[in-house]
Amino acid sequence: NAGVTQTPKFRVLKTGQSMTLLCAQDMNHEYMYWYRQDPGMGLRLIHYSVGEGTTAKGEVPDGYNVSRLKKQNFLLGLESAAPSQTSVYFCASSYASSGGYPYEQYFGPGTRLTVT
Amino acid sequence: TQLLEQSPQFLSIQEGENLTVYCNSSSVFSSLQWYRQEPGEGPVLLVTVVTGGEVKKLKRLTFQFGDARKDSSLHITAAQPGDTGLYLCAGARGNTPLVFGKGTRLSVIA
Repeated sequence: NAGVTQTPKFRVLKTGQSMTLLCAQDMNHEYMYWYRQDPGMGLRLIHYSVGEGTTAKGEVPDGYNVSRLKKQNFLLGLESAAPSQTSVYFCASSYASSGGYPYEQYFGPGTRLTVT
Repeated sequence: TQLLEQSPQFLSIQEGENLTVYCNSSSVFSSLQWYRQEPGEGPVLLVTVVTGGEVKKLKRLTFQFGDARKDSSLHITAAQPGDTGLYLCAGARGNTPLVFGKGTRLSVIA
């Protein structure tokens, strides 16, 4: 099993350009997440999905859109990139929480995005 | 407002020393997870604690969940260079997504 994979691994964008980050998981997890990680800020949740066809906003959703058309894939889109979106982006997946207790989140290796 | 405060933010110690890192909140959590992240990789789960007062051991790592379920600690005995990394705590409240702290960056020098 590959676990959680992310493409691309690195990307440099110019301000105003658009791009899509792809996350794929082969563990049949219901939940998927997109985080950004900035120095000294920990992990901040951008958007998440609790099932195919459903998405919800996290802590820092502005400037991003997501889609979950297939259970195994979760796409993160930047319509008009800004320098403030320079960050490392992590995708994660997990089984559905049970009784309010979350299961382990499995993370991908990250995508390093620089917006100039 | 940062729901989970981790301290210290940075820690540099010599191989063989003991250390404790903390994860504190004014909120009650139903469970708390600890992750370790190595440079260039995603975080990996170390442990989940769910009961107030619970203590879990993972080799040289000891995790404790506070009685009131508002805080947690991670104690490492005889630290080794392989323990180097970013330690993140994450709290769960009901069915809302996990909330992560900012992490403690540990460096163990041989």
